[in-house]
Amino acid sequence: AAGVIQSPRHLIKEKRETATLKCYPIPRHDTVYWYQQGPGQDPQFLISFYEKMQSDKGSIPDRFSAQQFSDYHSELNMSSLELGDSALYFCASSYGDYQETQYFGPGTRLLVL
Amino acid sequence: GESVGLHLPTLSVQEGDNSIINCAYSNSASDYFIWYKQESGKGPQFIIDIRSNMDKRQGQRVTVLLNKTVKHLSLQIAATQPGDSAVYFCAENIPGGSEKLVFGKGTKLTVNP
Repeated sequence: AAGVIQSPRHLIKEKRETATLKCYPIPRHDTVYWYQQGPGQDPQFLISFYEKMQSDKGSIPDRFSAQQFSDYHSELNMSSLELGDSALYFCASSYGDYQETQYFGPGTRLLVL
Repeated sequence: GESVGLHLPTLSVQEGDNSIINCAYSNSASDYFIWYKQESGKGPQFIIDIRSNMDKRQGQRVTVLLNKTVKHLSLQIAATQPGDSAVYFCAENIPGGSEKLVFGKGTKLTVNP
């Protein structure tokens, strides 16, 4: 079965640079969630989209923005990167937005030097 | 803020034994709970979910129990295998907003051969 696809899988950036993470949800899924997971930490919700509209926002820095496109893929844009942004970034998708199982992608490992 | 928490950070069992991973949640309004398994460097993998109108749900070798009175969730794994070694997270969904998940601190399960 098709899974959530994330790209790139690994990314190395310098401080103050920008990064764009991409997420391709499972076919027919219309809801996308972004989570950040620091080393040894649990995933923390950043932002979500349902039918291309932002549905919720968590602890996402103002330096980050995201959107969901007409084909339901989503991009997380990160600017003015800081060392503390180094983490695993997961995208999850679901069909519908009410108590539907969220399926996670393999993640993008971002390292900021 | 309120969050889901786990009682033990690590659990070590012998192959073939049954494992029980516990989770305490603090928001009595939470109505949907999911257990995820996360292997090193990978995304969380859905194991089983349960809605608040149930107190038990069974899957293949796994059972989730929900005790709303004491706000406790547990994951039972029967005949634990080395491939079950991973970090296990419980996550809750708090109604009223989007379907973002609030994760608890993971429990690292180690299965000894």
